[in-house]
Amino acid sequence: SQQGEEDPQALSIQEGENATMNCSYKTSINNLQWYRQNSGRGLVHLILIRSNEREKHSGRLRVTLDTSKKSSSLLITASRAADTASYFCATVYSTLTFGKGTMLLVSP
Amino acid sequence: EAGVAQSPRYKIIEKRQSVAFWCNPISGHATLYWYQQILGQGPKLLIQFQNNGVVDDSQLPKDRFSAERLKGVDSTLKIQPAKLEDSAVYLCASSSGLPDEQYFGPGTRLTVT
Repeated sequence: SQQGEEDPQALSIQEGENATMNCSYKTSINNLQWYRQNSGRGLVHLILIRSNEREKHSGRLRVTLDTSKKSSSLLITASRAADTASYFCATVYSTLTFGKGTMLLVSP
Repeated sequence: EAGVAQSPRYKIIEKRQSVAFWCNPISGHATLYWYQQILGQGPKLLIQFQNNGVVDDSQLPKDRFSAERLKGVDSTLKIQPAKLEDSAVYLCASSSGLPDEQYFGPGTRLTVT
């Protein structure tokens, strides 16, 4: 069964706004990863945060991890139309387990 | 660096027919994964290989699905016979060994009619 559950299921914003997506999971993890999927580039790894880390940045991406609440968030700042895609969190213990994803639409 | 290659990109078959998908991972990657992604859901792991040995196939429907990775490089995934609910995108991924960053291929979109 899929472990991660993203929230919201869909998000629509304007260019320049920030987008926040949340992920909750159920069991212990070694790390948590976020992936982006669109029709043009397929499924692409964005960022990995280890279980002993609380926050990580990569460009316009900021990921937080709260292992006590079994939750993570992905923040995309100053969004662009090109950020339109589905975003998945994936938890890792021995294998990668994906959630159902958040569909992000960024309008010009 | 060449990415993960998959073929075919699209396949339409009738139920009860058989189909095979091929994957060539990134050179040097020891670990290869096959995922099934049904529309509107995240990818679900079907099978994981480490070199040419199976690490995890707990979610592979073994009555109809089979996979092999001969010589620890290329891999094929077969479905025989196909059912309507097998309609999905089949993704292949590879990694250098640990369950960390995985690199995904473009996928094969299977439609079973």
